[in-house]
Amino acid sequence: NAGVTQTPKFQVLKTGQSMTLQCAQDMNHNSMYWYRQDPGMGLRLIYYSASEGTTDKGEVPNGYNVSRLNKREFSLRLESAAPSQTSVYFCASRDRGYRNGYTFGSGTRLTVV
Amino acid sequence: DQQVKQNSPSLSVQEGRISILNCDYTNSMFDYFLWYKKYPAEGPTFLISISSIKDKNEDGRFTVFLNKSAKHLSLHIVPSQPGDSAVYFCAASGSGGSNYKLTFGKGTLLTVNP
Repeated sequence: NAGVTQTPKFQVLKTGQSMTLQCAQDMNHNSMYWYRQDPGMGLRLIYYSASEGTTDKGEVPNGYNVSRLNKREFSLRLESAAPSQTSVYFCASRDRGYRNGYTFGSGTRLTVV
Repeated sequence: DQQVKQNSPSLSVQEGRISILNCDYTNSMFDYFLWYKKYPAEGPTFLISISSIKDKNEDGRFTVFLNKSAKHLSLHIVPSQPGDSAVYFCAASGSGGSNYKLTFGKGTLLTVNP
């Protein structure tokens, strides 16, 4: 099925551990985004990639790194997880010039203990 | 500072009645506004949008109204159905090299009672 695929769907980490959240889209979209959703906070932009080879910080980038591996894939890495990073993470992609065209993945629920 | 505000965390309406969800924004550079719908354990899905050059956009049961002078938009759902029960996010974006990043509100949980 066409869309945005995120892996894993669930993850529990211990404080200080590292992990990478994977995201892939098969719609040939140029731009990709990582958001986090916290209770009462809505969706906040962590990092985005306007096109292959570029990445930029969003609203809440501290504690994260990203890699735009190719046009399809955009990964989010937590180098040293903290309890404050417990959240639901959503990856999204968008076609160039199409302002309605955000497609979101189904999310990764991350718990840091 | 929150640029997109949804001041009602929740709203409950009866099936068949109108649901009105409200959203305010502070950034005058926003020129495109969207509503997303989110069910539990799923990603948000696009519902309806409106450009700042319009004051109304309609799509079936869903209508979005924009009042630029008040920096306010609202989503009307008529008639409301139980399947509309979800979290609704208001989002805004600006042009001018912003790469159309979306700024989201905190969301409003709509419950439609049968």
